[in-house]
Amino acid sequence: QVQLVESGGDLVNPGGSLRLSCAASGFTFSDYSMSWIRQAPGRGLVWISYISNAGSTMYYADSVKGRFTISRDNAKNSLYLQMNSLRAEDTAVYYCARGSRSGSYFDYWGHGTLVTVSS
Amino acid sequence: DIQMTQSPSTLSASVGDRVTITCRASQSIITWLAWYQQKPGKAPKLLIYKASSLESGVPSRFSGSGSGTEFTLTISSLQPDDFATYYCQQYNDYWTFGQGTKVEIK
Repeated sequence: QVQLVESGGDLVNPGGSLRLSCAASGFTFSDYSMSWIRQAPGRGLVWISYISNAGSTMYYADSVKGRFTISRDNAKNSLYLQMNSLRAEDTAVYYCARGSRSGSYFDYWGHGTLVTVSS
Repeated sequence: DIQMTQSPSTLSASVGDRVTITCRASQSIITWLAWYQQKPGKAPKLLIYKASSLESGVPSRFSGSGSGTEFTLTISSLQPDDFATYYCQQYNDYWTFGQGTKVEIK
């Protein structure tokens, strides 16, 4: 069955960096686009970044553009999010999600990893 | 940017009730709309895609309708497992979620 498992969340100081990972299994990872979506405590869902199946196309929300970098390693069935210049407002649970084959909705989600930005 | 607005923000209902949640887009998204259910501490779960297509394994009491800028999610007979927060999401132009509708016990 499809599984997405995020890791790397932690408590980090403002201005710091963190790298999140998402390990995929149960499907042909290289066939699917992937995204990162975050949810601040008590708030709604916000899409922040997308990467195409081959890793050739990336998109970012304005709130993270220039600070976050999405990447993937299809040989390792893994998705990454490099987060630099972290701010308090980046505090959230970060989910990786698989893009559907037929459209761009998200058909499978990981359980999430918590990033807390605080001094 | 396309904005998504859900109403109501909170909905109080009883088991067996018919429940309808509305989602409006700031511009036409044709039928590029999905609905998700999220329970506390859990990841969202896909319910509906392309406005009205039921995801495999999702109970048939869930249905979606609409096109253009106005969409609805209907639960025909609310069950105890359905108390959760529901989000709409457009995927016509990048990806935007509504702010969520919490369905709570009346």
